[in-house]
Amino acid sequence: QKEVEQNSGPLSVPEGAIASLNCTYSDRGSQSFFWYRQYSGKSPELIMSIYSNGDKEDGRFTAQLNKASQYVSLLIRDSQPSDSATYLCAVHIMEYGNKLVFGAGTILRVKS
Amino acid sequence: EPEVTQTPSHQVTQMGQEVILRCVPISNHLYFYWYRQILGQKVEFLVSFYNNEISEKSEIFDDQFSVERPDGSNFTLKIRSTKLEDSAMYFCASSERVPGNTIYFGEGSWLTVV
Repeated sequence: QKEVEQNSGPLSVPEGAIASLNCTYSDRGSQSFFWYRQYSGKSPELIMSIYSNGDKEDGRFTAQLNKASQYVSLLIRDSQPSDSATYLCAVHIMEYGNKLVFGAGTILRVKS
Repeated sequence: EPEVTQTPSHQVTQMGQEVILRCVPISNHLYFYWYRQILGQKVEFLVSFYNNEISEKSEIFDDQFSVERPDGSNFTLKIRSTKLEDSAMYFCASSERVPGNTIYFGEGSWLTVV
């Protein structure tokens, strides 16, 4: 079983719509979860971190965590063409030592 | 806003040559990392470094790789004898406290081995 799984996409949404990005992880002991955005040829840029079950909102972004289901998601409201990028889910996997493990990323395309 | 800086941004090297990638982590951060991303693939953990020693390393980080903090600000990744498959973007990162804390990435060093 892969440590961090994401649907590779591409996920296409119209401008102004809500984009929903999902991620599952294997280690029940994980405590720290992150969403990064990566534009082509650039480095990962932190969008949000979440540590507790429930929702965490920051501007147009909402991260949702459900540790019982081992599931973390990112909602982007009022999607803009500039949101088009690859979104990386990253989880601190304690099971394999203390390291941040990335999913393969979901490509998001926002159409104007 | 403090940031992680990396040099060079792009390096082309002959197979078998040694390469050193340099990084200046955020000044009050205590944990340092190297990750790499082969073109079209996911970001992969290489090594973490704390208190002047390696705290974690992946199976990718074999004897050809080494890390060093030669002074109070720089953090380097050395590849002793580069192979074609070492061609990738190498990201340096740092975090303020223990792992689990937010990790901030530099802009990356793109290494091409020919």
